Amino acid sequence: DVKVTQSSRYLVKRTGEKVFLECVQDMDHENMFWYRQDPGLGLRLIYFSYDVKMKEKGDIPEGYSVSREKKERFSLILESASTNQTSMYLCASSLPLAGGGDTQYFGPGTRLTVL
Amino acid sequence: AQKVTQAQTEISVVEKEDVTLDCVYETRDTTYYLFWYKQPPSGELVFLIRRNSFDEQNEISGRYSWNFQKSTSSFNFTITASQVVDSAVYFCALWGPASGGSYIPTFGRGTSLIVHP
Repeated sequence: DVKVTQSSRYLVKRTGEKVFLECVQDMDHENMFWYRQDPGLGLRLIYFSYDVKMKEKGDIPEGYSVSREKKERFSLILESASTNQTSMYLCASSLPLAGGGDTQYFGPGTRLTVL
Repeated sequence: AQKVTQAQTEISVVEKEDVTLDCVYETRDTTYYLFWYKQPPSGELVFLIRRNSFDEQNEISGRYSWNFQKSTSSFNFTITASQVVDSAVYFCALWGPASGGSYIPTFGRGTSLIVHP
């Protein structure tokens, strides 16, 4: 069974803090993704990575950065958290689509509240 | 830029009714993939189906069926004889080419389906 785990289910931080969200997958997937999910807005892609040390901006990268030093781990960093970053953050992984990967596996999500 | 529109924000039906969830997409790419996902109340998204842009064959899986029409840029999802367990938020997504031979997803805003007993 593919497993995508996220370091925390719930997180409360203060404005201006540096926040790290960790994601680990155990299926040797090349692709990893970070999304945020807000009511009425669906899932919006923040960043994705198609290989170690490779990253691409998604639709809403402002205020975020990412790190992928190892294949199984993809970290999302909020350099200086702000209240408008209060959201549900979802991590996902997949094989490359062109290589036949047809399933994106999602983690359980981290609900981040910034006060 | 690619875009996915799920115009129905919320649909409410009574058990055993058939229901269709609409998905309209925009892309300039000739190679792309379309997906449907289900997010039940427990929260974890579950993959339902993938189609590539060259395969317009409709698909049926039990009570679920999908109608892909390139002429109207639509990829609609029908649940036949709906059940309470079908209550969830359903997302349509389009994956288009990105860097390094990879594909990048764009999700619709989702349709919340409520099935009443």
